[in-house]
Amino acid sequence: GQNIDQPTEMTATEGAIVQINCTYQTSGFNGLFWYQQHAGEAPTFLSYNVLDGLEEKGRFSSFLSRSKGYSYLLLKELQMKDSASYLCAVRDLDTDKLIFGTGTRLQVFP
Amino acid sequence: ETGVTQSPTHLIKTRGQQVTLRCSSQSGHNTVSWYQQALGQGPQFIFQYYREEENGRGNFPPRFSGLQFPNYSSELNVNALELDDSALYLCASSYNRGRGNEQYFGPGTRLTVT
Repeated sequence: GQNIDQPTEMTATEGAIVQINCTYQTSGFNGLFWYQQHAGEAPTFLSYNVLDGLEEKGRFSSFLSRSKGYSYLLLKELQMKDSASYLCAVRDLDTDKLIFGTGTRLQVFP
Repeated sequence: ETGVTQSPTHLIKTRGQQVTLRCSSQSGHNTVSWYQQALGQGPQFIFQYYREEENGRGNFPPRFSGLQFPNYSSELNVNALELDDSALYLCASSYNRGRGNEQYFGPGTRLTVT
């Protein structure tokens, strides 16, 4: 079966660091994506991991452990504009389709 | 380089009607994937088109159909609309079935079925 789990909601304070976890179970794995989605808008690509380890891109970093079926997105120096939903998606090896979690809604408070 | 575009932005239809949604892929991309996103949920894969042929389909009934044109733009057609079809419909553009790290979404079409 295919299953993506991530927390439903998280809150954090402006300037802080937040880690959003994602665990997955898929029959075939061909990469993991993180997207940011503001309410009423399309998802925006943040990061892509296919090998184990940490990918850093500015204030955002993403980590992958394939053996554990685990990823996290790390957001540093939080800003109010980071309030959004964060979607974890795994690409299926056989079909190339993206399998999404339900998303984590992050609220950043001043 | 133009991004992914979709039309229309919003659409209201009545149950039983048919609808066609359109997507233009990003320059250089030959693959278009369609997703349905219900409120509060993650996107659900409908199908993918690669070089004008369907290349994979999710768990959606046959009344969801599509096609891709020689310029790699794509259409999603939904027949016999049901209330549960109300959702944000997203298309994602990529190259060679998305096997690289590029998978960019269009702004979406919000469909409301009454």
